[in-house]
Amino acid sequence: KNQVEQSPQSLIILEGKNCTLQCNYTVSPFSNLRWYKQDTGRGPVSLTIMTFSENTKSNGRYTATLDADTKQSSLHITASQLSDSASYICVVSGMAAGNKLTFGGGTRVLVKP
Amino acid sequence: DGGITQSPKYLFRKEGQNVTLSCEQNLNHDAMYWYRQDPGQGLRLIYYSQIVNDFQKGDIAEGYSVSREKKESFPLTVTSAQKNPTAFYLCASTTGLGYEQYFGPGTRLTVT
Repeated sequence: KNQVEQSPQSLIILEGKNCTLQCNYTVSPFSNLRWYKQDTGRGPVSLTIMTFSENTKSNGRYTATLDADTKQSSLHITASQLSDSASYICVVSGMAAGNKLTFGGGTRVLVKP
Repeated sequence: DGGITQSPKYLFRKEGQNVTLSCEQNLNHDAMYWYRQDPGQGLRLIYYSQIVNDFQKGDIAEGYSVSREKKESFPLTVTSAQKNPTAFYLCASTTGLGYEQYFGPGTRLTVT
């Protein structure tokens, strides 16, 4: 069964500090992995999308890494801001028929001043 | 939220009533999706449609129905057969299966 596990479930960090979120998946065969940011009560917004051949991809202060061998990804937030408070969702797409997405449960990040 | 709109943002219904959630997109996307989001859980696929007048059940289709009469519109009806309908519902669209999905702002449905 395809699964995406994220850790931690939630974390609190001080403004200006860095943090790293983890995503482990069992989706196979793998097509791509996306990280979304979801503000409370809003729809998710894409941060990065990574294919098998990509190890690192950045979007401003967000940097995603992918290790397709160990089926792990991380999202690093640098110099956090209050606006980074949100849920971050890891989504994996497989190459099986339908290419349906498998969603992780998300990590809720709270940035405090 | 891109070019996807969902209405209303908040919806309240009595148990036993059917309710229809609206989803409209102006991105000229072929594929549209409905997801359900419950606290602490990943999004779960209810229905999806790859083309007008065609749709497929997702992982949790029981108690829901959809239609796709126009490319721009993919309404979701939550029927009285859905045992636990209170949730946050998200609509998404994409140019095709496997491509990046763009999400609407969501509708929070509360059934009492």
